[in-house]
Amino acid sequence: NAGVTQTPKFQVLKTGQSMTLQCAQDMNHEYMSWYRQDPGMGLRLIHYSVGAGITDQGEVPNGYNVSRSTTEDFPLRLLSAAPSQTSVYFCASSYSGSGFQETQYFGPGTRLLVL
Amino acid sequence: DQQVKQNSPSLSVQEGRISILNCDYTNSMFDYFLWYKKYPAEGPTFLISISSIKDKNEDGRFTVFLNKSAKHLSLHIVPSQPGDSAVYFCAASPFETSGSRLTFGEGTQLTVNP
Repeated sequence: NAGVTQTPKFQVLKTGQSMTLQCAQDMNHEYMSWYRQDPGMGLRLIHYSVGAGITDQGEVPNGYNVSRSTTEDFPLRLLSAAPSQTSVYFCASSYSGSGFQETQYFGPGTRLLVL
Repeated sequence: DQQVKQNSPSLSVQEGRISILNCDYTNSMFDYFLWYKKYPAEGPTFLISISSIKDKNEDGRFTVFLNKSAKHLSLHIVPSQPGDSAVYFCAASPFETSGSRLTFGEGTQLTVNP
């Protein structure tokens, strides 16, 4: 198993550009999520999905869109990048999003710089 | 409003000694607590967890203690090893979303000196 994979590893954008951060998992996990990590703030939940076709907002959803058309993939879209979105983005997955005391598996992260 | 707080940004200990990392939370709805370890340029990896029905959980060199009345938990690493040097994140969630919709603390950089 490759686990949770993320592409690209690093990206530089100009303000106003759009891009999609890719996330895939091969563990047949129902639950997937996106976090951003900023200095001094830990990781904050952006969006999550409890299964294909179902998504919901986390703590900091503004400026980001998600969709979940398959169990394996959970892309994160920035429609119009802003410098405030400069961060490290982590995708995570777990078997189920509720009712189980389980852990999330994190991808290696995408470092995004918005100029 | 920081619901999970790690007040020590960094901690330095000698190899073989005990490392104690602390975490405080404010949300009474949190029932499940986890510690994640993160090396540079990698994603966080799960270390150990505890549910609110327990006050202690051990896994090898790692022990997590939970004091619900004080809304405080701590991670003990004994003995500390240089390979333990990493950023440690405390995280919490309500039981119904156990392990998924996590609220993280800011992280503590642990350095274990040989």
